Amino acid sequence: DIQMTQSPSFLSASVGDRVTINCKASQNINKYLDWYQQKLGEAPKLLIYNTNSLHTGIPSRFSGSGSGTDFTLTISSLQPEDVATYFCLQHNSGWTFGGGTKLELK
Amino acid sequence: EVQLVESGGGLVQPGRSMKLSCAASGFTFSDYYMAWVRQAPKKGLEWVASISYEGSSTYYGDSVKGRFTISRDNAKSTLYLQMNSLRSEDTATYYCASRPYWGQGVMVTVSS
Repeated sequence: DIQMTQSPSFLSASVGDRVTINCKASQNINKYLDWYQQKLGEAPKLLIYNTNSLHTGIPSRFSGSGSGTDFTLTISSLQPEDVATYFCLQHNSGWTFGGGTKLELK
Repeated sequence: EVQLVESGGGLVQPGRSMKLSCAASGFTFSDYYMAWVRQAPKKGLEWVASISYEGSSTYYGDSVKGRFTISRDNAKSTLYLQMNSLRSEDTATYYCASRPYWGQGVMVTVSS
């Protein structure tokens, strides 16, 4: 089974900061990595699919990069509405989620 | 508008069974690989099971293998999860998902 290690688990940043969240796969997952945002009490929302493709309606301050085993979600300029928990999902072989990153405002 | 609406959750005793349903609308259901994902209170997301477009292939997480069965009816645009031999650790919100689309979730509580 593929394991996903996400870091950091908690992140505090200021409005306007550049924020990066990482996911590392236990084996090569090619490009098959998605990023989700989950706000309190809501279902997860797809942000980025297949490493670097921006889902419809998602602001361009969100971007994804990586390949193979190492992947990054970047928020170029943090906004107050970005406060949420972020998860990665590998779908190369079954599905495995990362442990999540809780993002708060400093 | 895309909608995935889960139903069938609630309180169930350990060892008993429960069947969840997910009604899809606003997209071509048969074009999407579907899955159930769960989230225990204050915990992360856990993949439960997946099913191929026509339903011929199914996949399960280790924690539910042999107890849960995923199925779909493309004519009704509905996804199902039959859960047997339920345990307290199965307590969670269960989401019907297809990567771009997620339902709002349904709570399942396993307790005596």
